[in-house]
Amino acid sequence: LAKTTQPISMDSYEGQEVNITCSHNNIATNDYITWYQQFPSQGPRFIIQGYKTKVTNEVASLFIPADRKSSTLSLPRVSLSDTAVYYCLVGDRGDYKLSFGAGTTVTVRA
Amino acid sequence: DTEVTQTPKHLVMGMTNKKSLKCEQHMGHRAMYWYKQKAKKPPELMFVYSYEKLSINESVPSRFSPECPNSSLLNLHLHALQPEDSALYLCASSQELGGSYPYNEQFFGPGTRLTVL
Repeated sequence: LAKTTQPISMDSYEGQEVNITCSHNNIATNDYITWYQQFPSQGPRFIIQGYKTKVTNEVASLFIPADRKSSTLSLPRVSLSDTAVYYCLVGDRGDYKLSFGAGTTVTVRA
Repeated sequence: DTEVTQTPKHLVMGMTNKKSLKCEQHMGHRAMYWYKQKAKKPPELMFVYSYEKLSINESVPSRFSPECPNSSLLNLHLHALQPEDSALYLCASSQELGGSYPYNEQFFGPGTRLTVL
């Protein structure tokens, strides 16, 4: 499983865009990049998954450069309720195993 | 219904007790998982069931015993636990084991907060 590196924490204010970059230098050809969100005392929740270029859904966007050695999760116009831990995971289609890294604690202030 | 339910929400047990955690999903998912999460740490995989058969045991001590009575239900039987086993126990399910989105998207329950005295 490819190792991921994310910032430990990030602070933001309501209405701002938050970008979290994850490094995964040894990503394999078949690996996908997946992001989960976890609120305190809750289970993680799937946000987005991508392989290359850009993926967007109603919650976030995921930007993956051509070399795929990093990826950036973009949360548009955050609110207080977006305060959570965000995990970047890398694994191939056969990976049943979600290996969570340390995650990034995002704190949104009013 | 995209919900995974877990009971109880909280559990306090002594080291000699036997207790069980329950997890249920009605999404027709064929893969179910148990994770353990210590405070301020990421979740760690314990067990994986696929089509009601135990597929993966991540070298978990035998005092934790999983059971999958049917495709919707997953139990974790606890016996002779240690105080260091105190943690949040998370259950998750996915359409299939592995594959790509959406089949591999894992849906997590809220967890059971376990305290071992």
